[in-house]
Amino acid sequence: DAGVIQSPRHEVTEMGQEVTLRCKPISGHDYLFWYRQTMMRGLELLIYFNNNVPIDDSGMPEDRFSAKMPNASFSTLKIQPSEPRDSAVYFCASRATGLADQPQHFGDGTRLSIL
Amino acid sequence: EDQVTQSPEALRLQEGESSSLNCSYTVSGLRGLFWYRQDPGKGPEFLFTLYSAGEEKEKERLKATLTKKESFLHITAPKPEDSATYLCAVQAETWQAGTALIFGKGTTLSVSS
Repeated sequence: DAGVIQSPRHEVTEMGQEVTLRCKPISGHDYLFWYRQTMMRGLELLIYFNNNVPIDDSGMPEDRFSAKMPNASFSTLKIQPSEPRDSAVYFCASRATGLADQPQHFGDGTRLSIL
Repeated sequence: EDQVTQSPEALRLQEGESSSLNCSYTVSGLRGLFWYRQDPGKGPEFLFTLYSAGEEKEKERLKATLTKKESFLHITAPKPEDSATYLCAVQAETWQAGTALIFGKGTTLSVSS
């Protein structure tokens, strides 16, 4: 089975540019999560969706960040304008709903460098 | 405030030298505790879920245990391929089902032959 697919794997861009990260969740999973990982802060939740609807975006650092999920098989995380402090690895994860808590399954991330 | 603390930050072992990683947590009611393994350049890979104190789960050389305040990941006779960062995460009882996890910063394990 295909896992969570993220693109691009690496992105290097200059400060002020728009950055769009993409995620395809596992088919049949109805929860999708965006995380950011840094050495200082570890893995932090940015936003999550249930059935394509954003449920909690309290982790989005500021208005420069936005996320969408237009359908069950695609989500984007956009940063506009980007800043050097946004440099991190961004992960997408998905999970299914079940009687017991199902584990989240992660993609391999996008390593973002803002110069 | 809900939080997860992992120790040690880094651990170096010789092949075959057993040890344990610690994950202590403070949450207002534990819904589940998760262990993940993360290899360099990869996303976290799910290992175990523990739900209640006294529960144990095993997979190959790994065994996870849970008490009311902490979890241990025991590694028996490790091999170099066990080298990775091990992440612990918790989900609190008061959160909505499906809410994201709170992660610790991980323990980076290096096993040399």
